[in-house]
Amino acid sequence: EIVLTQSPGTLSLSPGERATLSCRASQSVSSSYLAWYQQKPGQAPRVLIYGASSRATGIPDRFSGSGSGTDFTLTISRLEPEDFAVYYCQQYGSSPPITFGQGTRLEIK
Amino acid sequence: QVQLVQSGTEVMKPGASVKVSCKASGYTFTTYGITWVRQAPGQGLEWMGWISAYSGNTKYAQKLQGRVTLTTDTSTSTAYMEVRSLISDDTAVYYCARGARDSAGSAYWWWGQGTLVTVSS
Repeated sequence: EIVLTQSPGTLSLSPGERATLSCRASQSVSSSYLAWYQQKPGQAPRVLIYGASSRATGIPDRFSGSGSGTDFTLTISRLEPEDFAVYYCQQYGSSPPITFGQGTRLEIK
Repeated sequence: QVQLVQSGTEVMKPGASVKVSCKASGYTFTTYGITWVRQAPGQGLEWMGWISAYSGNTKYAQKLQGRVTLTTDTSTSTAYMEVRSLISDDTAVYYCARGARDSAGSAYWWWGQGTLVTVSS
């Protein structure tokens, strides 16, 4: 099973700042099958990035994904008030099981 | 547009079984599989399993194998997830989700609204 470790656990930033979230895998994620999700309280997760770097339909271009192998990054170039939420990475190249990271909480400073 | 609509909140006793439904619309049901993910209160996301709506093939998380059964009813475009022998640790919001391909290995573009299952004596 591939274990995904996200860091930091909590990130405190202000609107307008740049956010960098990390996701490290315990072994290589095949074909960069790595996705990022945003989840707000009381809502289902929403996919932001798939294939490590492709933005899902309707996702603003301030969100970008990068990385390969075992190290992946989600960058939000300029934070908007609606971006404060919990973010999860997911690997889907080694199945089963699909695995998720434990999440990074992005909070307003 | 693709929609996944789940059944409502359940409160169950320990040892009981619960069956949650997920009705799909907006696409040909048998073209894509359905995945189930759960989230305990204040916790992260846990992948439970996947079923192909075309073939009925299933894949389960090893932790839940033997206690969870995924099924589909193609006549009503509905997927079902049953958990047996419930324990308090099964208290969670249960989500169905669909990816962009008929594979257990997929990112999930569409999600149901979630079903809260509470296990309490």
